[in-house]
Amino acid sequence: DAEITQSPRHKITETGRQVTLACHQTWNHNNMFWYRQDLGHGLRLIHYSYGVQDTNKGEVSDGYSVSRSNTEDLPLTLESAASSQTSVYFCASSESSGHVGIQYFGAGTRLSVL
Amino acid sequence: TQLLEQSPQFLSIQEGENLTVYCNSSSVFSSLQWYRQEPGEGPVLLVTVVTGGEVKKLKRLTFQFGDARKDSSLHITAAQPGDTGLYLCAEPYNQGGKLIFGQGTELSVKP
Repeated sequence: DAEITQSPRHKITETGRQVTLACHQTWNHNNMFWYRQDLGHGLRLIHYSYGVQDTNKGEVSDGYSVSRSNTEDLPLTLESAASSQTSVYFCASSESSGHVGIQYFGAGTRLSVL
Repeated sequence: TQLLEQSPQFLSIQEGENLTVYCNSSSVFSSLQWYRQEPGEGPVLLVTVVTGGEVKKLKRLTFQFGDARKDSSLHITAAQPGDTGLYLCAEPYNQGGKLIFGQGTELSVKP
């Protein structure tokens, strides 16, 4: 069965370190998204991609970057981790066709920046 | 950017009770999705509503889309502990399948 997997599931890091969160999907979807989830804020979009070599900023992109070298993977990098980036991060993917985009989510990565 | 407001933010009830969760917008929805997120997991789509006045049922869950497409509700009949989780409404915006999410309703159903 197709799936979307995130790794690691839990990560503890120190302020200032570079951190990369992995996202891998086998749906063969063109669209991929990264969100962060904080209490009281629902899911907020960080970055998204519509295909290989395409990346776009979401509403909370400062301090994050992504790259898309193939269809399956969209890694999220925190260039210099800050305590404000402690959160749960979700990756999602969807088909590129149609206006009503159903997104399939990974299980999330819980990141703590100390 | 369109804002989606969900209410209540938290809800704790006993098994067997009924409940309703609301999702409201500052403008007209193009369509609306409801997701459920269980602890330690990612959100999973429950339903998509598209037409004003539409009602969809999923076992004990009833989803309504307002006639003017500015609000939606999720009603759960005879809640069970397995219904515990975070319920999120989301609207597609612009092209390309981007979603904007409400802040969610955290539901706890106690046995």
